[in-house]
Amino acid sequence: LAKTTQPISMDSYEGQEVNITCSHNNIATNDYITWYQQFPSQGPRFIIQGYKTKVTNEVASLFIPADRKSSTLSLPRVSLSDTAVYYCLVGETDSNYQLIWGAGTKLIIKP
Amino acid sequence: EAEVAQSPRYKITEKSQAVAFWCDPISGHATLYWYRQILGQGPELLVQFQDESVVDDSQLPKDRFSAERLKGVDSTLKIQPAELGDSAMYLCASSKRKQGIVGNTIYFGEGSWLTVV
Repeated sequence: LAKTTQPISMDSYEGQEVNITCSHNNIATNDYITWYQQFPSQGPRFIIQGYKTKVTNEVASLFIPADRKSSTLSLPRVSLSDTAVYYCLVGETDSNYQLIWGAGTKLIIKP
Repeated sequence: EAEVAQSPRYKITEKSQAVAFWCDPISGHATLYWYRQILGQGPELLVQFQDESVVDDSQLPKDRFSAERLKGVDSTLKIQPAELGDSAMYLCASSKRKQGIVGNTIYFGEGSWLTVV
């Protein structure tokens, strides 16, 4: 079973900020939180990774509260090309990278 | 930017036939993964290699699936005989480091779509 829970789908409009929240109530001390993006008929693409507080890169921001039981991926000023499925995963720092993937969140951006 | 190469991109095969997928990971990446993704679901790990050795194949249906990475570089995933339920996208991925998640990004190929008829 996936260690995370995400909304099945979300809609937004071009130019808006989109926040996708992921629940991971049983996150372990050594787990990091990683987000991937997947377009139809393509392999997933790494977006961002974090452990606590806030991480920002050129694509997105990741907010992680102190209890780490959830995380929020923030996409600033989305465009139609951000329509994709977004996966939240948790994994151990020292494992053989055995991430368990859920069904992800299907984000649809409208004009 | 270096990419994970996969072929064929699309494959239609009849049930009970054999089918093979090839993957060339990013140069220098020690770890190679094969995933299966059914439409509407997330990827499921089938097998993981570190160099030429299998690290995890617990989810690989070994009665019909096999995977090899003989020289620790490219890899082949084979299905024989194919069944209708094998219709899915088969994703190859690679990562630089042997284990650990921090900073060890997994890079995916575009996938190979299999339809079994």
